[in-house]
Amino acid sequence: DQQVKQNSPSLSVQEGRISILNCDYTNSMFDYFLWYKKYPAEGPTFLISISSIKDKNEDGRFTVFLNKSAKHLSLHIVPSQPGDSAVYFCAARAGSSNTGKLIFGQGTTLQVKP
Amino acid sequence: DAGVIQSPRHEVTEMGQEVTLRCKPISGHDYLFWYRQTMMRGLELLIYFNNNVPIDDSGMPEDRFSAKMPNASFSTLKIQPSEPRDSAVYFCASSTPSGTIGDEQFFGPGTRLTVL
Repeated sequence: DQQVKQNSPSLSVQEGRISILNCDYTNSMFDYFLWYKKYPAEGPTFLISISSIKDKNEDGRFTVFLNKSAKHLSLHIVPSQPGDSAVYFCAARAGSSNTGKLIFGQGTTLQVKP
Repeated sequence: DAGVIQSPRHEVTEMGQEVTLRCKPISGHDYLFWYRQTMMRGLELLIYFNNNVPIDDSGMPEDRFSAKMPNASFSTLKIQPSEPRDSAVYFCASSTPSGTIGDEQFFGPGTRLTVL
C-alpha cells in the first residue's frame, strides 16, 4: 500500500512558466512533509518542507501548499528554469513518535524546456 | 563534511553471488537509512537504525537481505544470494532529527546494482 502517491510520473514545462507537482497521502497521522530533488547519478537532496500546522511555505521560487482535508500537497516552481529538470520526490513523516522515518512517493520527473 | 559516502558506486554481479553495499554516514548523525529506488515504487525504505540499533526492518524484502551497523560510522547491506530482480539503485541516508524542524535526511550518491 502506497501511503504517499505521486500520480504523475512526468511533467514537461516551458522555461519561465509555472511547474506544479502534486502529491497525495492516505495517513492522517502524517505531520510533516518534505520535497526532495534528485539529479541523475546523484542522491536526493532536500528542497523544502512544511509542517501540518501550516498550509503554505515559501522559499524563493519554490512554494509548497498543504491541504489537510484533501490529504494533498503540491510544489510550485515559478519561474521554472532548465536547471530544475530533475526527479522530485515528496515524503511524509508519521508523527513525532516515528521521528526519523520518512515515507516517500514514487517521484515525478520534471523537464523544463528552454 | 564529506557527506554520506557509499561504495561501490556501481556493482555488476551474477545471479547467486553475494553482494555487499557499504555506507559511511555523516559524522554525528544518529539515524541511518537504507533505501531502494525502483521505477514502480520510487524510494522504498528497507531498514533504518538509530544509534546503531535496527529500529524497523519491515521493508526488507526477503531473508536474502540483511543489514548491519557495527559502529556509528559504518553500515552494510548484504544480499545473499542475489537475483536479477534485485537490480536497482540503493541509497544510504543519515539524519539527526531535532523533532522541531522535521527530519531532513542526507543521501549518499547511491550504488547502482545490476544482477545478471
